[in-house]
Amino acid sequence: KAGVTQTPRYLIKTRGQQVTLSCSPISGHRSVSWYQQTPGQGLQFLFEYFSETQRNKGNFPGRFSGRQFSNSRSEMNVSTLELGDSALYLCASSLVVSGGEEDTQYFGPGTRLTVL
Amino acid sequence: KQEVTQIPAALSVPEGENLVLNCSFTDSAIYNLQWFRQDPGKGLTSLLLIQSSQREQTSGRLNASLDKSSGRSTLYIAASQPGDSATYLCAAPSTGGGNKLTFGTGTQLKVEL
Repeated sequence: KAGVTQTPRYLIKTRGQQVTLSCSPISGHRSVSWYQQTPGQGLQFLFEYFSETQRNKGNFPGRFSGRQFSNSRSEMNVSTLELGDSALYLCASSLVVSGGEEDTQYFGPGTRLTVL
Repeated sequence: KQEVTQIPAALSVPEGENLVLNCSFTDSAIYNLQWFRQDPGKGLTSLLLIQSSQREQTSGRLNASLDKSSGRSTLYIAASQPGDSATYLCAAPSTGGGNKLTFGTGTQLKVEL
């Protein structure tokens, strides 16, 4: 079974531009979560989508948005890029079993975004 | 608000040594806890998930324990190898349900020949 895939793997943008990152979850997984990882802040939760609905949201400005499609694939968008948005963006998927106890989250390889 | 702490921040051991990594969390109303491994510049690899009803979970040379009452989890690595060198992260679900995970800052492990 294929793992979580993220595209593109590397991206270089300039301040003020916008960017869209894509995540394809493991087949059959319905939940997709996004995280930002930086050396200073570590791993921080951005948002989670389940059945095309945002189920959880972290403390990020409105410039960060996302969506999920009917096939569970997800995209996140960052508008008006700032230097501080340079980070590794990780996507995770999980099956979502009733109760959540068994929900192992599987992460993709990430997209390395550099903002110049 | 869930907070997760990991100690030590870094650890260097000789090959073959058994070692313990520690993780503590503030909100004990969790339904599971996960341990991950991250190699430099890579994504996270899931190592073990411990459900709240379990006290231990084992996979090969790895054993993770969970004590909700004390807000602690440990990851035990037996007979460490150079290939175990990586950053180990624990993550606990945040209050409010869903799959929002709060991560510790990790333990950077180096296993030397």
